[in-house]
Amino acid sequence: GQQVMQIPQYQHVQEGEDFTTYCNSSTTLSNIQWYKQRPGGHPVFLIQLVKSGEVKKQKRLTFQFGEAKKNSSLHITATQTTDVGTYFCAGERAEGAQKLVFGQGTRLTINP
Amino acid sequence: DTGVSQDPRHKITKRGQNVTFRCDPISEHNRLYWYRQTLGQGPEFLTYFQNEAQLEKSRLLSDRFSAERPKGSFSTLEIQRTEQGDSAMYLCASSPQRRQYFGPGTRLTVL
Repeated sequence: GQQVMQIPQYQHVQEGEDFTTYCNSSTTLSNIQWYKQRPGGHPVFLIQLVKSGEVKKQKRLTFQFGEAKKNSSLHITATQTTDVGTYFCAGERAEGAQKLVFGQGTRLTINP
Repeated sequence: DTGVSQDPRHKITKRGQNVTFRCDPISEHNRLYWYRQTLGQGPEFLTYFQNEAQLEKSRLLSDRFSAERPKGSFSTLEIQRTEQGDSAMYLCASSPQRRQYFGPGTRLTVL
């Protein structure tokens, strides 16, 4: 079945440093979504990428979707303590199964 | 608060007991999803409804699990004869199209 792998599993940075998490799917995706889950909270939607090679920015966050629509990345510039949490990518298969397969997440902790 | 509610928020039960969880989605959303999440893992798909029709069910879901969405509104997830391995956070999400809005989850502990 479809698998979505995410690396690294954990990342600890000093406040102000950059952070990147990578996501790879075993199958071509119709779209990829990113969610953030704060400690003790539930996943909250950040963004959706649909087009091959798409790049979207939200303030300090930059999201990319690979040309082959099988990988994606999230980059945070100059992390702040409010960025703490686990970042999940979630892919929807190209066949339009209308369900998401989540990666295992990257847990980001920040030293103030 | 996304507007998706789940009840109860916490459930402690003994092995072998049946439990039922409820999810109230955002009213205009026709899609409803159930996920299970264990510590350090991403949400794992369990099942999915479009209105009242259950369109897909994970192969990981044993026959002890059943879900319903009568009238295409709220949904229930029942686990029969609970096992310790069922201990997890059960998340519900609703969606108008692709973006999913998650509820706060029901944390199940099976003793």
